[in-house]
Amino acid sequence: GENVEQHPSTLSVQEGDSAVIKCTYSDSASNYFPWYKQELGKGPQLIIDIRSNVGEKKDQRIAVTLNKTAKHFSLHITETQPEDSAVYFCAAKPQIQGAQKLVFGQGTRLTINP
Amino acid sequence: DGGITQSPKYLFRKEGQNVTLSCEQNLNHDAMYWYRQDPGQGLRLIYYSQIVNDFQKGDIAEGYSVSREKKESFPLTVTSAQKNPTAFYLCASSVQGAKNIQYFGAGTRLSVL
Repeated sequence: GENVEQHPSTLSVQEGDSAVIKCTYSDSASNYFPWYKQELGKGPQLIIDIRSNVGEKKDQRIAVTLNKTAKHFSLHITETQPEDSAVYFCAAKPQIQGAQKLVFGQGTRLTINP
Repeated sequence: DGGITQSPKYLFRKEGQNVTLSCEQNLNHDAMYWYRQDPGQGLRLIYYSQIVNDFQKGDIAEGYSVSREKKESFPLTVTSAQKNPTAFYLCASSVQGAKNIQYFGAGTRLSVL
């Protein structure tokens, strides 16, 4: 089945700098890749997603890139702010007939230092 | 106010006891999911249901049980067979479609007394 690996597990950056989180997946048939942000004591929330027919997607300060050949995708956050501090999860949606589910990475704890 | 409601926020289990975590959604979503979250291990799928009266095991179903008698509700029972139940439990729901965007509740933290 699908396996998603996420790196790094922790990331600390200065406010205003950029942050990059990377994920690799194993199933080349996976076709949808969302990113979720989880703030302390809350459930994860979708922040951006990308489908397998697109190489890059941007939404203000966040962007996601996908390399299907290498089977990896990345989250880029520019001009980081203190409110970006959270745990971020990547996920992949495998193509399984009759099943709709996501496989999540292990998470990255991002800390923005003022 | 639409969304997913999990209760209780905190739950304590005694040895040998079964406990049930509640998950209710008013988003009219067909699919619902239960995840377990442990530090450094991300979100692991326990059970999921794509339609009323049907559910499938996820990756770590042993020691857990679910039911899906109503579209809005997907309760999770942590049985005494689950020897290490201490974790943060998250419920989610989604529409069926190409994307599978999942909406999460605020979670229940389960601890063993």
